[in-house]
Amino acid sequence: AQSVTQLGSHVSVSEGALVLLRCNYSSSVPPYLFWYVQYPNQGLQLLLKYTTGATLVKGINGFEAEFKKSETSFHLTKPSAHMSDAAEYFCAVSGLRAAGNKLTFGGGTRVLVKP
Amino acid sequence: DAGVIQSPRHEVTEMGQEVTLRCKPISGHNSLFWYRQTMMRGLELLIYFNNNVPIDDSGMPEDRFSAKMPNASFSTLKIQPSEPRDSAVYFCASSSPPNSPLHFGNGTRLTVT
Repeated sequence: AQSVTQLGSHVSVSEGALVLLRCNYSSSVPPYLFWYVQYPNQGLQLLLKYTTGATLVKGINGFEAEFKKSETSFHLTKPSAHMSDAAEYFCAVSGLRAAGNKLTFGGGTRVLVKP
Repeated sequence: DAGVIQSPRHEVTEMGQEVTLRCKPISGHNSLFWYRQTMMRGLELLIYFNNNVPIDDSGMPEDRFSAKMPNASFSTLKIQPSEPRDSAVYFCASSSPPNSPLHFGNGTRLTVT
């Protein structure tokens, strides 16, 4: 079984400041980890994913995340926030051999970017 | 690639009525998922199909909910009878395992009055 915890349901950052969204997971098998972004009235879009290999993963829009097995974490960062980053972000986990990439999502973190 | 297509985008109905939500997955994807999103419960997986066969429906809330996938290009989620607590955004997603991510549709916002 898998579960995901996202620390902080809301995060407020200033434009140009670091964005840090925290995600911790639990999984009984080696996990696949994902970050998705959801803009208002839209579906979820993939930002980045970790499956195997390099633990620092780069995604779209300048985001990156680092898989730390010892900490069971997959935190998402972006060095400099842009107004267009205002959205809700979801961390998700699936088991390495889960049929059909069934995902378990965290509760989401809504990001507000202040000018 | 048109992406995952859901219809309708919005549905308003009265309690007790039947509601049918539709989904067309991305061509070539062999897994399809139905999720429900609410403020209280976040994103919940309702059911998923692999090669048109339901694999896990443990997330379906109760017998009022049913889902079908008659072919690789179409799926429906039906609620009969609908209740106000069913109000939510329902998302369909598809993927082509083993490593591909889920691709989501834009969702159907259901309001049951």
